[in-house]
Amino acid sequence: SYVVTQPPSMSVAPGKTARITCGGNNIGDKSVHWYQQRPGQAPVPVIYYDTDRPSGIPERFSGSNSGNTATLSISRVEAGDEADYYCQLWDTFSHHWVFGGGTRLTVL
Amino acid sequence: QVQLVESGGGVVQPGRSLRLSCAASGFTFSSYNMHWVRQAPGQGLEWVAVISNDGSNSYDGSDKYHADSVKGRFTVSRDNSKNMLYLQMNSLRAEDTAIYYCAKEAGVGGSYLSHWGPGALLAVSS
Repeated sequence: SYVVTQPPSMSVAPGKTARITCGGNNIGDKSVHWYQQRPGQAPVPVIYYDTDRPSGIPERFSGSNSGNTATLSISRVEAGDEADYYCQLWDTFSHHWVFGGGTRLTVL
Repeated sequence: QVQLVESGGGVVQPGRSLRLSCAASGFTFSSYNMHWVRQAPGQGLEWVAVISNDGSNSYDGSDKYHADSVKGRFTVSRDNSKNMLYLQMNSLRAEDTAIYYCAKEAGVGGSYLSHWGPGALLAVSS
């Protein structure tokens, strides 16, 4: 089944931009979705179909996907953005949904 | 508004069976594919299973798929007349210990998971 790779953790200072990557073979040919999960809570979608933002998600959240890397960018990072972030896609060959291992974002 | 509420979790011995339920409301349940996703303690998200809305919205003739880690032991099902999603779990193992979330797919065919329940905790232990 298709494998996607995320860095386990990253840290960023408040006000800076965080870029969380999701790597996979020709992932640019697939649609990638991103979820935010705060401690003790269920995941919430923050980006879908590579670049779209659900209603209620700040414009500071954006996405891109090309080649072998999809990226979730969070600009003007705030303390409230501290959470785990997961990329997810649908593997059309196996008909399975695939999650990346997750990236823990720490705001310094 | 969309609401998903899981139930049926608890502590069960290895090798035993358990059925999780998910009550859905606030949307036309029969129009959407539904999923189960789990999260072991301190670990990431793991997709478990998907079932198509009513069997007509299938991918290659099958209306349900399961992750390799649970295939043959877990079975997803739904009752559209009751707006209920189920996960029958047999031959449970310690590694099945996790929070189990039910989730609604946003669209048709490989879309994202737009709404999630709060989760139900399953602990498999002797």
